[in-house]
Amino acid sequence: GQNIDQPTEMTATEGAIVQINCTYQTSGFNGLFWYQQHAGEAPTFLSYNVLDGLEEKGRFSSFLSRSKGYSYLLLKELQMKDSASYLCAVKDSNYQLIWGAGTKLIIKP
Amino acid sequence: GAVVSQHPSWVICKSGTSVKIECRSLDFQATTMFWYRQFPKQSLMLMATSNEGSKATYEQGVEKDKFLINHASLTLSTLTVTSAHPEDSSFYICSAPTPARETEAFFGQGTRLTVV
Repeated sequence: GQNIDQPTEMTATEGAIVQINCTYQTSGFNGLFWYQQHAGEAPTFLSYNVLDGLEEKGRFSSFLSRSKGYSYLLLKELQMKDSASYLCAVKDSNYQLIWGAGTKLIIKP
Repeated sequence: GAVVSQHPSWVICKSGTSVKIECRSLDFQATTMFWYRQFPKQSLMLMATSNEGSKATYEQGVEKDKFLINHASLTLSTLTVTSAHPEDSSFYICSAPTPARETEAFFGQGTRLTVV
């Protein structure tokens, strides 16, 4: 079956750095996505990786290793507004998005 | 601005009634739209794939007679929850891939359904 694993919850301090890991086992791979979701709202797109390596976008960076079935989302200079759930999703061979359960990130002052 | 518009953003209905949720693509045509359901503290669960001009494809375990999907035009898909029950209370979200960026899916604002 298809499976995406990410930690359920993480806590970090304002101004610090946090890394959220995601491992996946899917039937085929056509890209990995990270989305941010605040409670009661729709997810918003953060990043997309289809090739190995690091993609940097401001305070957020995303890394992919296809051979290891592994990705991480790195958040720098954490702000209170970064408190949210972070969803890892993979597009499989049918171009269907398979979602992880999400990581709830709690930022403390 | 939003490229996918979903309406209503919240609705409360009585058990046994039906509720229709609309999902519109703005400024682009969507031959495919996806309908998700999300229970509190859980991930998005794909319910069905809506295809313009043809029948929707439902995921295993989703009752197609209860969750009616109509994709009558290239910019509108609707999800009707028929004979709603309290266990249908959830957050329903639609999404559509944009033709300009096939890799990305934009989401509607979501609909919070409460059945009392």
